[in-house]
Amino acid sequence: EDKVVQSPLSLVVHEGDTVTLNCSYEVTNFRSLLWYKQEKKAPTFLFMLTSSGIEKKSGRLSSILDKKELFSILNITATQTGDSAVYLCAVEAGTYKYIFGTGTRLKVLA
Amino acid sequence: SAVISQKPSRDICQRGTSLTIQCQVDSQVTMMFWYRQQPGQSLTLIATANQGSEATYESGFVIDKFPISRPNLTFSTLTVSNMSPEDSSIYLCSVEAQGVQETQYFGPGTRLLVL
Repeated sequence: EDKVVQSPLSLVVHEGDTVTLNCSYEVTNFRSLLWYKQEKKAPTFLFMLTSSGIEKKSGRLSSILDKKELFSILNITATQTGDSAVYLCAVEAGTYKYIFGTGTRLKVLA
Repeated sequence: SAVISQKPSRDICQRGTSLTIQCQVDSQVTMMFWYRQQPGQSLTLIATANQGSEATYESGFVIDKFPISRPNLTFSTLTVSNMSPEDSSIYLCSVEAQGVQETQYFGPGTRLLVL
């Protein structure tokens, strides 16, 4: 059965800290891995990763994929209170088939 | 990116009633998806809706409980039928946007509370 596992489930840090969120997966037909930030209801897209070893970067956020070890990490440097959210990892495991992890709830304290 | 709107944004309903959620996209898309996110949980795909054909339901979801319409390439509805408190959830529609970087975009969600 295809699955996506995220760790940690929750994390509390202070402003300025750097955090690393993990996403591991087991799917039979991997196409891409996506990271989303969910603050209230709707997840907002952060990154899509398809190739191993190529870092995607957007401001203080970066992500990389390892297709051999079947995982991805999302890094956030110099965290701010506005980074507090649930971060979701999803794997596209076939045509129109997205499997979501349970998310990592990040809380950044001022 | 696609701009997606959903109505209603939230509702409180009595058990045994039904609610229809609307999803409108600002561009034509082939596939639309309906997800459910129960409290404290991740997103679970309910069904995939293709214009002009019946929706494809995931394991654990049936058409009688979650009928879906897809009358055109920019609109879809999801009905939650004969609701029970276990249906209290956020319901999200999403589309897969084709472009330089294919990805999924989500609507703002409908927060449903069933009493």
